[in-house]
Amino acid sequence: GQQVMQIPQYQHVQEGEDFTTYCNSSTTLSNIQWYKQRPGGHPVFLIQLVKSGEVKKQKRLTFQFGEAKKNSSLHITATQTTDVGTYFCAGIGDSNYQLIWGAGTKLIIKP
Amino acid sequence: ETGVTQTPRHLVMGMTNKKSLKCEQHLGHNAMYWYKQSAKKPLELMFVYSLEERVENNSVPSRFSPECPNSSHLFLHLHTLQPEDSALYLCASSQREYDPWKLFFGSGTQLSVL
Repeated sequence: GQQVMQIPQYQHVQEGEDFTTYCNSSTTLSNIQWYKQRPGGHPVFLIQLVKSGEVKKQKRLTFQFGEAKKNSSLHITATQTTDVGTYFCAGIGDSNYQLIWGAGTKLIIKP
Repeated sequence: ETGVTQTPRHLVMGMTNKKSLKCEQHLGHNAMYWYKQSAKKPLELMFVYSLEERVENNSVPSRFSPECPNSSHLFLHLHTLQPEDSALYLCASSQREYDPWKLFFGSGTQLSVL
């Protein structure tokens, strides 16, 4: 079945360093969503990308959708302690009725 | 507060028990979902209700039984669970026609099956 692979599984950074997580799909996606889950919390919607090559920014967060609509990335500039959590991508594939989730990338800030 | 309330927050049950998870949404949405979240795995969609009708059942074992009495409430009835069913169970809602993939999640029920 259709899968969305997300890498890395974990990323340890010093506060102030950048962070990037990547999602790759085996097939073309209609759109892709990004969610953030804080430790002990629940997923919270961040953004949706729909267009090929689309780039959206939210303050220090930059989201990209690949030209072929098969991959996406989330980049955080100058991480802060409030960025800690797990970032999930979730895409809509051929079926068009069910989100296909990545396994998440856990952002850990080194003390 | 997301507008989606789940109870209980934590549940410990034996394999022979029967329990129910409850979800209530105050957002006026018309679709509700049950997801299972296990460590290091993608979220697993269990059930979808749209306009109170079940539209998706992803080969979930019959020991999980959903109920959606109206568009604001969703239940997950549990019986004779297995230890591998221990996980975080998340309820979510969305507005199916206008923004179907913007899900609002509840805080989840952390379930432990002994």
